[in-house]
Amino acid sequence: DTGVSQDPRHKITKRGQNVTFRCDPISEHNRLYWYRQTLGQGPEFLTYFQNEAQLEKSRLLSDRFSAERPKGSFSTLEIQRTEQGDSAMYLCASSHGTSAGDTQYFGPGTRLTVL
Amino acid sequence: QQPVQSPQAVILREGEDAVINCSSSKALYSVHWYRQKHGEAPVFLMILLKGGEQKGHDKISASFNEKKQQSSLYLTASQLSYSGTYFCGTGSGGYNKLIFGAGTRLAVHP
Repeated sequence: DTGVSQDPRHKITKRGQNVTFRCDPISEHNRLYWYRQTLGQGPEFLTYFQNEAQLEKSRLLSDRFSAERPKGSFSTLEIQRTEQGDSAMYLCASSHGTSAGDTQYFGPGTRLTVL
Repeated sequence: QQPVQSPQAVILREGEDAVINCSSSKALYSVHWYRQKHGEAPVFLMILLKGGEQKGHDKISASFNEKKQQSSLYLTASQLSYSGTYFCGTGSGGYNKLIFGAGTRLAVHP
């Protein structure tokens, strides 16, 4: 396994711009999660995919946020009309999806700075 | 509800031991422990499932008391490489959405 990869690693944008992040999970992992982490805090759940189906969205995910996993492989997270409060590390994780207690492996994250 | 981790921070000398606790107000199915170094992704340490098991590898072990809804991570004979922030993530079953604590910052000095 090559691990979970995310692109870009860093993104600086101006308020009001749209940004899109990509996550490539470990191959054959059915479950894919997006989390957001701010300084000094643990990761906060944003959304979850089982294959290509998005099964839950946190109330943290306003309508400016959208996520897709079109073919059940890579996923994208788009933020429209970014705000300074969106500045955070966006983490992607994946897991096999074979049991309720399977392990989530995290990618390196995309650090977003909104000016 | 976010699990509560204690202590918030620990400073150790190499070779000393530490215990990090994680408590939840909700019934738990699983507890997941991760270590994160500054600017890096959380790295999986171990998972404990409902059943009150204890696990360990090398000098890091953990226990899970589902009745008390608590888990503890034990670090023995600490090494410099143990430095980082430790997070517990709690799962209630199903697809295992994790709720993470605020973390415990551990610094190991020579």
